[in-house]
Amino acid sequence: QVQLQQWGAGPLKPSETLSLTCAVNGESFSGYFWSWLRQPPGKGMEWIGEINHDGITNYNPSLKSRVTTSVDTTRKRFSLRLSDVTAADTAVYYCARRGIVPANYFFDYWGQGPLVTVSS
Amino acid sequence: DIQMTQSPSSLSASVGDRVTITCRASQSISHYLNWYQHKPGKAPNLLIFAASTLQRGVPSRFSGSRSGTDFTLTISSLQPEDFATYFCQQNYNSPWTFGQGTNVEIK
Repeated sequence: QVQLQQWGAGPLKPSETLSLTCAVNGESFSGYFWSWLRQPPGKGMEWIGEINHDGITNYNPSLKSRVTTSVDTTRKRFSLRLSDVTAADTAVYYCARRGIVPANYFFDYWGQGPLVTVSS
Repeated sequence: DIQMTQSPSSLSASVGDRVTITCRASQSISHYLNWYQHKPGKAPNLLIFAASTLQRGVPSRFSGSRSGTDFTLTISSLQPEDFATYFCQQNYNSPWTFGQGTNVEIK
């Protein structure tokens, strides 16, 4: 059974950098993409970006200029940094696992998702 | 980006009712469509992938179907634990995009 445990700092002020980390327990770290998603209050889910164990990344173009992801394969952790945040970045942020072949491109395991608030 | 239009945004139903939720893709996505259940304060739960394949452990009252770019999630007989938000997601092209969600409430 795979478990994703996530943590990070908050709340944030505008222009600060959001930083979150997700630890993977229970299964191999390789062979998947490790993703970040978010859901603003009252809105739909938005995919932010992802990274695999080799450090190959894929980002949503709408956020690409502000997003950085990294991976620590030894500790089976991956991290998100979102720079220059505004109130529009207030959301529940999730980490999740995605398969690497088209048939498995779904998100089958998710973290619990902390609410990250950006406010002056 | 591929737009996913989900309807209705909310519905009220009773235990035992048959419930249908629809997602329409803005272009062809073949069968690359997934459905999730999301309860407040919890992680989303994958129900169906590839339009109609039930994820392991998901009750058989959940089913999915496809007609062109229209996709349907059906709950054949709504149970108390099924009151939640449901959303679709396309995995045909990055960026992966989602429907806005359907909140299934108790009537």
